[in-house]
Amino acid sequence: DSGVTQTPKHLITATGQRVTLRCSPRSGDLSVYWYQQSLDQGLQFLIQYYNGEERAKGNILERFSAQQFPDLHSELNLSSLELGDSALYFCASSVGSGTEAFFGQGTRLTVV
Amino acid sequence: GIQVEQSPPDLILQEGANSTLRCNFSDSVNNLQWFHQNPWGQLINLFYIPSGTKQNGRLSATTVATERYSLLYISSSQTTDSGVYFCAVGAGSYQLTFGKGTKLSVIP
Repeated sequence: DSGVTQTPKHLITATGQRVTLRCSPRSGDLSVYWYQQSLDQGLQFLIQYYNGEERAKGNILERFSAQQFPDLHSELNLSSLELGDSALYFCASSVGSGTEAFFGQGTRLTVV
Repeated sequence: GIQVEQSPPDLILQEGANSTLRCNFSDSVNNLQWFHQNPWGQLINLFYIPSGTKQNGRLSATTVATERYSLLYISSSQTTDSGVYFCAVGAGSYQLTFGKGTKLSVIP
């Protein structure tokens, strides 16, 4: 158990819908990262938050957004979903930027 | 951004055999991690090794930062070692960049 908790584990939804993925980081970790893993793109960095503030952005679509709350949990919002958004979404946390990161078990999103 | 190349892309081993997985990266890093993704999709931390050598049971890793590569050694492989092994690197305060992985299959 990495100490990073993601919910839900599985999600099936229809095209055009909106979903929210939740992540609770390890106790004491201030940085939260979101990654997308698809078959054709591998593990892609989406966005990073540090202590409530956005720190870095990767290949995140405009239809996707995220935030980190005062209690340090984070949510990734995916809207206007397309079939191609089907993927495994990981959250990771670390004490600070550039330190060892630990990953949650992922949320498997299927868009039908 | 940093480029990460892993080799080989696929590896099939007989149970009990040893193997070496390689990770090359294109720039200086201050973070390098090896992960094992099991068949259920979980990413499990193996090593945090921006430089030097570490060992954990049958697994060990070496990173030569000046030459921009890292090696993961698996000895006496078991079927439970099957899965995909990822190398991920980070520079400065930036996020990890992942390689494409090495898919390992250990057969009885």
